Amino acid sequence: GQQVMQIPQYQHVQEGEDFTTYCNSSTTLSNIQWYKQRPGGHPVFLIQLVKSGEVKKQKRLTFQFGEAKKNSSLHITATQTTDVGTYFCAGPYRANNLFFGTGTRLTVIP
Amino acid sequence: DTGVSQDPRHKITKRGQNVTFRCDPISEHNRLYWYRQTLGQGPEFLTYFQNEAQLEKSRLLSDRFSAERPKGSFSTLEIQRTEQGDSAMYLCASSRQLAVNTDTQYFGPGTRLTVL
Repeated sequence: GQQVMQIPQYQHVQEGEDFTTYCNSSTTLSNIQWYKQRPGGHPVFLIQLVKSGEVKKQKRLTFQFGEAKKNSSLHITATQTTDVGTYFCAGPYRANNLFFGTGTRLTVIP
Repeated sequence: DTGVSQDPRHKITKRGQNVTFRCDPISEHNRLYWYRQTLGQGPEFLTYFQNEAQLEKSRLLSDRFSAERPKGSFSTLEIQRTEQGDSAMYLCASSRQLAVNTDTQYFGPGTRLTVL
């Protein structure tokens, strides 16, 4: 069955340090989405990547979709305490449903 | 507030009782999804509606679970004869159908169910 793994599972960084989470799918994905979930909150859509090798930036966040469309990464430059939360990648499951990855929980130490 | 809303936000029930949750999607969204999330895990897909039609059900959705979206607007998720393993956050999401690619899903705040 479809599997989407993320590493690391947990990451503690000092405020100002960079952070990267990696997402690996067992199958080729037509697209990949990234969501952020704050502690006690619900998932919030960040971005969708569609093209092989695509790179998108949102301020300090850089998202990349692998050439084979089986992996993706999210990089945050100079983390801030507002970046705290769990970052999930999600791939399409039977067209419109989402299969979420295991998530990376980011803690930023002030 | 024009986001997805869910009611109740918290529900504590005793094992064996029935519970029902409600989700009100964003008004112009024709697709509605239910997910279950347990601590430390990502959301797991349960079921999906396009308008009033239930188009997909996960194998996670046992026969104790039923979902409806009678008029293509709000949806209800009912769990009969609750078990302690049903304790989780139940998330609802909605989206507007796009011609291509996977829809962007907007999540509600969730209903946290605790089965004692």
